[in-house]
Amino acid sequence: NAGVTQTPKFQVLKTGQSMTLQCAQDMNHNSMYWYRQDPGMGLRLIYYSASEGTTDKGEVPNGYNVSRLNKREFSLRLESAAPSQTSVYFCASSKTGPLNTEAFFGQGTRLTVV
Amino acid sequence: SQKIEQNSEALNIQEGKTATLTCNYTNYSPAYLQWYRQDPGRGPVFLLLIRENEKEKRKERLKVTFDTTLKQSLFHITASQPADSATYLCALEGSARQLTFGSGTQLTVLP
Repeated sequence: NAGVTQTPKFQVLKTGQSMTLQCAQDMNHNSMYWYRQDPGMGLRLIYYSASEGTTDKGEVPNGYNVSRLNKREFSLRLESAAPSQTSVYFCASSKTGPLNTEAFFGQGTRLTVV
Repeated sequence: SQKIEQNSEALNIQEGKTATLTCNYTNYSPAYLQWYRQDPGRGPVFLLLIRENEKEKRKERLKVTFDTTLKQSLFHITASQPADSATYLCALEGSARQLTFGSGTQLTVLP
């Protein structure tokens, strides 16, 4: 029972490089999310997708793009990485909207931009 | 501005005691509030959800209260065990009807 799977687990990028973080869920959930977690700041929502084919900006979307490839997969792209994007990134999913149902999180991607 | 505040420092308690964690919020009117547990190097794991019309909710050794007048939720772990040591996050409805998380309280249960 995989749940939410993120790849890669760790990544080091040089400033200006691009990369895509992959996320897949096998629970047939409609909604998917990308968060970043920084020390002392809690989880902050980057982008979310309420259903297949839709994406919306969260609290901190600048410097990121997303693609809801299908119902299972939701990817996060950094076009030109900056040191301020050094963080731990979590993908999550929920059956419906996030407020009245539990969210399931992946194990995270630890990204360092040098 | 909107703010979620959890116990600002780490909380250490003795095994067997009840741990009480606090989540205070300002400028929110959430219909739901959630609590998650996060272990080092792992993603958060859902524990409990409480609705605004529920004063209290229990699950095994866990109890959550939700006081919309005080704008506060309390999270209790009774008969605490070292395995309960983790960071606990509260989350509630923020902008765009999405979850907004507090920064968490790090709980250590001492044997």
